[in-house]
Amino acid sequence: DGGITQSPKYLFRKEGQNVTLSCEQNLNHDAMYWYRQDPGQGLRLIYYSQIVNDFQKGDIAEGYSVSREKKESFPLTVTSAQKNPTAFYLCASSIRGRTYGYTFGSGTRLTVV
Amino acid sequence: GESVGLHLPTLSVQEGDNSIINCAYSNSASDYFIWYKQESGKGPQFIIDIRSNMDKRQGQRVTVLLNKTVKHLSLQIAATQPGDSAVYFCAENPNAGGTSYGKLTFGQGTILTVHP
Repeated sequence: DGGITQSPKYLFRKEGQNVTLSCEQNLNHDAMYWYRQDPGQGLRLIYYSQIVNDFQKGDIAEGYSVSREKKESFPLTVTSAQKNPTAFYLCASSIRGRTYGYTFGSGTRLTVV
Repeated sequence: GESVGLHLPTLSVQEGDNSIINCAYSNSASDYFIWYKQESGKGPQFIIDIRSNMDKRQGQRVTVLLNKTVKHLSLQIAATQPGDSAVYFCAENPNAGGTSYGKLTFGQGTILTVHP
């Protein structure tokens, strides 16, 4: 079945560490997105990518980095510069430039310990 | 900046009742709206969508109504069931045409609790 897979489901980070969240899709979607979700708030866009080897900052990109070396993969690195990284991170994909057919992964919960 | 918001953060209903979840948006250029359901610890799931050239769209047990005059969106769930308990988000495509690159703007969410 086609879908979008995020791993790990739970991730713990020590102060000062960089951690990388994985996002893989086999939907043949060109566009991929990373959102952050905090309790009581909507989803906020971190980074997005419309095609391989290209990505753009979203609304809250500071302290995060991404790469898009393959169409299927869009990993997110939470760097030590992100001062409040504890949150639920959601990856999504869609047909390039379109919002219908938007598909989300099951999320990664990151906690700073 | 412009954003999508929800009037009611929580909604409790009895099983079998109809539920109405509301959403206000402020960007008059938005041309497409989506409702998502998110269960605890999971990613959002698509429920139903509507384009700005429509006022109403029906799915299985769900109806979305769009009032562009007052920039209001609602989701109606008929015969609500305990399995409908979740957080419901509205989302909008804030730019008409092809310039939005698929970026959605999300509301805060409404927690729907269905009591047996």
